[in-house]
Amino acid sequence: DAKTTQPPSMDCAEGRAANLPCNHSTISGNEYVYWYRQIHSQGPQYIIHGLKNNETNEMASLIITEDRKSSTLILPHATLRDTAVYYCIVSQPPGSGNKLVFGAGTILRVKS
Amino acid sequence: NAGVTQTPKFQVLKTGQSMTLQCAQDMNHNSMYWYRQDPGMGLRLIYYSASEGTTDKGEVPNGYNVSRLNKREFSLRLESAAPSQTSVYFCASSDRVLSYEQYFGPGTRLTVT
Repeated sequence: DAKTTQPPSMDCAEGRAANLPCNHSTISGNEYVYWYRQIHSQGPQYIIHGLKNNETNEMASLIITEDRKSSTLILPHATLRDTAVYYCIVSQPPGSGNKLVFGAGTILRVKS
Repeated sequence: NAGVTQTPKFQVLKTGQSMTLQCAQDMNHNSMYWYRQDPGMGLRLIYYSASEGTTDKGEVPNGYNVSRLNKREFSLRLESAAPSQTSVYFCASSDRVLSYEQYFGPGTRLTVT
């Protein structure tokens, strides 16, 4: 599985968009980009995934560059409850057992 | 639906003791996973079961054994606990075919003294 690089921490003002970058320059053609978050030592929570097209759901948007070497997770209107560690993961699709390799992630602090 | 449940929530062991961490899911998922998370670090995969009847090693399997008891349950056993196994243990499940999402349990906080 390809390795990812994320900034260790970021701050965001409440109500503003939070843009979390991720570099995955060694991603291979069939690998997906997944985003999870972990709030205060709870179990991680799935946010979104994508292959090459931009994706949006009720939680966030995922923007993947055309060369697929990097991506950005966007929380459009961050709230205090979005303070968490955000993990960008590159992995095989579910048919391969869907193993996830978690790095250190980005600590997002949303401030009022 | 309870989702993924784990027992116990907390456990303190002495070095050399054994114990089994229990995990169950009620979502009819095929795949189940055990991870550990050390302080300030991301999760690391210990073992996984892609489907009932199969288990495979993950990134850090040494010192652990697993049993996929049935489709619902996946247990993790520490035969002889060591202080290096002090960690938070998370169980997760996913539907291998239909879902890209892993569902995680609340975790078991294990301290080995």
